[in-house]
Amino acid sequence: DTGVSQDPRHKITKRGQNVTFRCDPISEHNRLYWYRQTLGQGPEFLTYFQNEAQLEKSRLLSDRFSAERPKGSFSTLEIQRTEQGDSAMYLCASSPLEGAGQPQHFGDGTRLSIL
Amino acid sequence: SQQGEEDPQALSIQEGENATMNCSYKTSINNLQWYRQNSGRGLVHLILIRSNEREKHSGRLRVTLDTSKKSSSLLITASRAADTASYFCATSGGTSYGKLTFGQGTILTVHP
Repeated sequence: DTGVSQDPRHKITKRGQNVTFRCDPISEHNRLYWYRQTLGQGPEFLTYFQNEAQLEKSRLLSDRFSAERPKGSFSTLEIQRTEQGDSAMYLCASSPLEGAGQPQHFGDGTRLSIL
Repeated sequence: SQQGEEDPQALSIQEGENATMNCSYKTSINNLQWYRQNSGRGLVHLILIRSNEREKHSGRLRVTLDTSKKSSSLLITASRAADTASYFCATSGGTSYGKLTFGQGTILTVHP
C-alpha cells in the first residue's frame, strides 16, 4: 500500500533562495492538499487541488508561493525569495473525491529551515 | 487562524488509564475528524464523525460530538505507551468540503 510521498524530507536554505517541494499522492486520489505546520501548532491550510484544478487558496499563500498539479497526479509547491518566517513543516495530503468529508491521508512532510 | 481550541494542551497519564481530550470549534461544520501525529511525522487519521452523528467508536477510541455546544471529545481507553503522540481535531464545513481547519492539539504522554 503506497502512501503519500513527499520529497525532500528536509531542506535547509539561505534567506532569499527559491525552494520547491514535491508531493506524490495516493494514486487513485483526486484531491490533493497542502498545509503548513509550525512548531507547537496544528496544520494550517494553504491550498487544494481537485485533479489538476486549484480550487481554493488560503490568504496565507502569498504571491511568493505557487502550487501546481499539472497532470492531476503529483504536485509541486514553490516558495520564491524565502524569508525566515517560511521555516515550517510543509505537509501534503490526499483524499478520494467521492462523498463529502473523506479522511485525508498525509505524507511525512518537508521540513524547511531558513538560515 | 485556527478554528478550534483543544483542552488540555498537554496530558500525562500511566499505561492502562483512560485519556480524554476535548475540542471546541466556532463555525458550523459538515464533519469533525481526529488525527494523531508522532514527533516529526505526518498526521494519521483516527476517526471521522459527521454533523448528524453524536457518538462513534473505533477500537479503543470513542468520539462524541455536540453541535449545540460546538464541541467534541476523544476518549482513548486502556492507553498504551505507543499512544504517546499529539492529537488534533479538524473540522470541515461550509461550502468548502476540501480543507480541514485544525485545532492546536493535545500532547499526550503515556508512561509505561
